[in-house]
Amino acid sequence: GEDVEQSLFLSVREGDSSVINCTYTDSSSTYLYWYKQEPGAGLQLLTYIFSNMDMKQDQRLTVLLNKKDKHLSLRIADTQTGDSAIYFCAELISSGSARQLTFGSGTQLTVLP
Amino acid sequence: KAGVTQTPRYLIKTRGQQVTLSCSPISGHRSVSWYQQTPGQGLQFLFEYFSETQRNKGNFPGRFSGRQFSNSRSEMNVSTLELGDSALYLCASTKGEVLSRTQYFGPGTRLTVL
Repeated sequence: GEDVEQSLFLSVREGDSSVINCTYTDSSSTYLYWYKQEPGAGLQLLTYIFSNMDMKQDQRLTVLLNKKDKHLSLRIADTQTGDSAIYFCAELISSGSARQLTFGSGTQLTVLP
Repeated sequence: KAGVTQTPRYLIKTRGQQVTLSCSPISGHRSVSWYQQTPGQGLQFLFEYFSETQRNKGNFPGRFSGRQFSNSRSEMNVSTLELGDSALYLCASTKGEVLSRTQYFGPGTRLTVL
């Protein structure tokens, strides 16, 4: 089955690191994504990782993938108040040429001054 | 390069009416996908269009339909609106080829059904 799970809330102090976790169930997923959603806005693509990679770093963002445990994490270094938002992980489900994203429920990140 | 645009941004309808939402993908992108976001169900896949053909469909009733035009712009239609159709409808575009999978989202259309 296809199911993506995330914890609902995370609070951190400004300047600390944030780690948002996600588990997925579809072992055939090829790409895994992190999106950010600010209030009243659409989804902003933050980063993605291909399933044959263990880690990807992009400036303040580090994605870790444990394919054996189907666990994905997003680390935000030096978290700022502007990082406060909902973060969604998503797995790409492909069937032939068709594809769709299956999303987690989102993690509300609150950055405290 | 302009991003994905969706119109209108906000819409208020009453039960039983129908609604049409529009999405213009990023220039050069040929695939458009639609998602529904609600507080209770989260983000759920509606359908995907590529080259004017529906390539994939989520688990939604037949009241939800869509189409894609030759210029890759897409519309989705919801008929006989129900209160539960109130949601943020998001459109995403991608180039569409096999190796191009990353989806870029528009700002969404906020539909309120009264």
